[in-house]
Amino acid sequence: GAGVSQSPRYKVTKRGQDVALRCDPISGHVSLYWYRQALGQGPEFLTYFNYEAQQDKSGLPNDRFSAERPEGSISTLTIQRTEQRDSAMYRCASSLGTASYNEQFFGPGTRLTVL
Amino acid sequence: AQTVTQSQPEMSVQEAETVTLSCTYDTSESDYYLFWYKQPPSRQMILVIRQEAYKQQNATENRFSVNFQKAAKSFSLKISDSQLGDAAMYFCAYRSANSGGGADGLTFGKGTHLIIQP
Repeated sequence: GAGVSQSPRYKVTKRGQDVALRCDPISGHVSLYWYRQALGQGPEFLTYFNYEAQQDKSGLPNDRFSAERPEGSISTLTIQRTEQRDSAMYRCASSLGTASYNEQFFGPGTRLTVL
Repeated sequence: AQTVTQSQPEMSVQEAETVTLSCTYDTSESDYYLFWYKQPPSRQMILVIRQEAYKQQNATENRFSVNFQKAAKSFSLKISDSQLGDAAMYFCAYRSANSGGGADGLTFGKGTHLIIQP
């Protein structure tokens, strides 16, 4: 079956612009996670949803970052007034359920470059 | 907060040989899960192997096995009969069995770049 998909795969924007990154999880997966991966680093947890409810947003760096999953499927991560330090790979993952043992399946990521 | 440390930025091994990648973690919890993920040049994230902290038996998946030492908070990955396709970044990750406060996400190390020499 289809895996996790993300769009766009690459996004170049100018500082100060807003960007919206989309994640389409595996069909039937209840939980959805957002991570950010800087070059040469491991992914860093940002936020997570269980169905449409945002359960944990403790990893969001500041209030310019927000995420939603209104119908419990597709999710959008929005970064307002982008800054150069926001440049990174943004990864989405989904899992069958919220239990810790459930494997998180990662999407290919969106490479964001802020000029 | 939990931390995961991978002290080997890069490792090199001859094809068909065995290599061990190190990972240590810091936690005050007793119940958690540990993972090794592979990130090939395509930049995908692929789960290699998973270990439940309450299980004493080390996990194995074909040529991949772990040495889980709970008291030492160590979780190393052994790759036997290394193949060219094993070349990738390898990330060690921790996940709490609890919820909230960031515990639901994976905490990753900085990764080890594995080079396979033909």
